[in-house]
This record gives sequence, C-alpha cells and structure tokens, in this order.
Amino acid sequence: QKEVEQNSGPLSVPEGAIASLNCTYSDRGSQSFFWYRQYSGKSPELIMSIYSNGDKEDGRFTAQLNKASQYVSLLIRDSQPSDSATYLCAVNRNAGGTSYGKLTFGQGTILTVHP
Amino acid sequence: GAGVSQSPSNKVTEKGKDVELRCDPISGHTALYWYRQSLGQGLEFLIYFQGNSAPDKSGLPSDRFSAERTGGSVSTLTIQRTQQEDSAVYLCASSLVASGGLTAEQYFGPGTRLTVT
Repeated sequence: QKEVEQNSGPLSVPEGAIASLNCTYSDRGSQSFFWYRQYSGKSPELIMSIYSNGDKEDGRFTAQLNKASQYVSLLIRDSQPSDSATYLCAVNRNAGGTSYGKLTFGQGTILTVHP
Repeated sequence: GAGVSQSPSNKVTEKGKDVELRCDPISGHTALYWYRQSLGQGLEFLIYFQGNSAPDKSGLPSDRFSAERTGGSVSTLTIQRTQQEDSAVYLCASSLVASGGLTAEQYFGPGTRLTVT
C-alpha cells in the first residue's frame, strides 16, 4: 500500500462544475495535510493546509479531513479552465520523533477543466 | 515579498562531475527543505533543516548527496560524481517553525532542473 494515494485521473470536468479530488494515507499518526497545485513545468504552489477533522474553506476551495477514515479531499467549486493542473496531496508522517518537516506526496491527480 | 529563490534554474553536467545547487529561503523562515521530482518517482523528500538542530538527512539517496545551511539561511545541495539517475528537478522549500507536532506550510522555489549526460 502506498503511503499517500490519490485518484490517478485524469479528471475532466466542465467549466463551472465542482471538481472533487481525493487522497488517502496509510499512517494513522499523520497530523498535517496539504494540497498543492502544480502547473506543467512549474513548481508546486500551496493551496491549502488542514490539520483538524472537518471542512476548511478558502474561496472556491474546500479541504475536507477525516482522520478516522484516513481520507482528505479537495473540492473546487465553479471550476475554471485556469484550474487545469496537477493537484498534489501531501501528508506529514509523524513518526513520533522530532522530524515534523518531512512531507510525503501522492503521485498527483491531473485535472482538466474544459470550457 | 520575495519567495524562495533557487539557482541555477537549469544545469547540464557530464556524468561523474560534481554539482552545487543553491537555495535562498523566504526571509524569516527558519526551516528549509530539499525535495526532488522525477517522472518515475514523483516528489520525494531529501533533507530538512530546522534552526540549529541537526538536519534530518533520512531522504538522501546515497552518500554522494550532501547539503549544508550556512548562517541559518542559504543552503547548498551538493551532488558528487553525478549519475544519469540523478537527473531530476531539485526543489527547495521553506517554512516558519513547526511546533506542537504539526508541520508548517511549506513554500516551494522554482526548482533547478538537473540533466546528467
């Protein structure tokens, strides 16, 4: 089982629709979760962090975390063609030591929003 | 404000040569991270510096890789005797201090694309 798994995609949605991106993780002790967006040929750009169970909203983006199910998702409302990118889920594997910085990334989901 | 900067943006080197990649973090960020991204492996952690603590080197793939951070700011990643499998985009990120068992938000630089011929 991969440490962080994402829908392989690609995911294609029409403009204006809701895009739903999913991520599961294997380490039950994980405490920090992040979504990044990466355009082709560019570096990852932070969209959102989430640390507590429930929903966190920022503009058109909503992150949802369920630690019991080891599941984190990202919803993009009113999707725009400019949202077309690869979305990376990243999780901190808290091994109980002092290293809180190491992020483990999923392989990414390619999202295409078509007009 | 200024983001994370990295240099060079592109580096082509011959197999067996040494290379140095530089990262300048966001001002005020005490934590600095190196990752690399390649087609087959995705984005993988290499090393993490936090303040004056000993760095977490657990992601370095071999002893040909080393990194240092001078003065708590700029970092250099050195790859000795480069191999073709070292070809990848090397990404640096920085963050504020992490606390309470949580991981702070990491902001990435533009990366250095390394090609070993």
